[in-house]
Amino acid sequence: DQQVKQNSPSLSVQEGRISILNCDYTNSMFDYFLWYKKYPAEGPTFLISISSIKDKNEDGRFTVFLNKSAKHLSLHIVPSQPGDSAVYFCAASAQQGGSEKLVFGKGTKLTVNP
Amino acid sequence: DGGITQSPKYLFRKEGQNVTLSCEQNLNHDAMYWYRQDPGQGLRLIYYSQIVNDFQKGDIAEGYSVSREKKESFPLTVTSAQKNPTAFYLCASSTFSTNEKLFFGSGTQLSVL
Repeated sequence: DQQVKQNSPSLSVQEGRISILNCDYTNSMFDYFLWYKKYPAEGPTFLISISSIKDKNEDGRFTVFLNKSAKHLSLHIVPSQPGDSAVYFCAASAQQGGSEKLVFGKGTKLTVNP
Repeated sequence: DGGITQSPKYLFRKEGQNVTLSCEQNLNHDAMYWYRQDPGQGLRLIYYSQIVNDFQKGDIAEGYSVSREKKESFPLTVTSAQKNPTAFYLCASSTFSTNEKLFFGSGTQLSVL
């Protein structure tokens, strides 16, 4: 049973437009969420995180929104750039867990077209 | 530069053979992890270690073994008992604290001959 779901395997957007990547979770104990970005044949790199005490966290072009009642979070990239083309993983954990408790989604492949 | 080094980048395994994937970090992190990624799948935890000379099974430990003799090193052995070893293997590390983000190596692609 998937606890973290990224229902869109792929997303294609035009350069300069907004990219919105979605993530749903089922475990109500999850209270910390992260997004990782991964290029082919490389390891994921941390992008942005959010704690459940917030509903929004912003870092430059990247903003993560959390809707706890809907158990949904989204990553917004504005404006999108060709270098943003990568696979984006959503991950979640419970506060009492360490990093070994991170549960990852299957990822969404973002393609930003010039 | 601090980071995590995985080697080799590509590895081929013959039937019945054990192979070992190397992972070294110079970030002074206490915790280290091994993940497996299959095409179109998320990352699944194989083993993790929070301290030297101690490690724990993750969600898919069968057919794998690890050791943690030094803080900097966490090698993964894929044994002949692992019947479907073809995958992309990722090593990661973190400080030993709740919700600390993971730092990943660049991965090893293992294929079966």
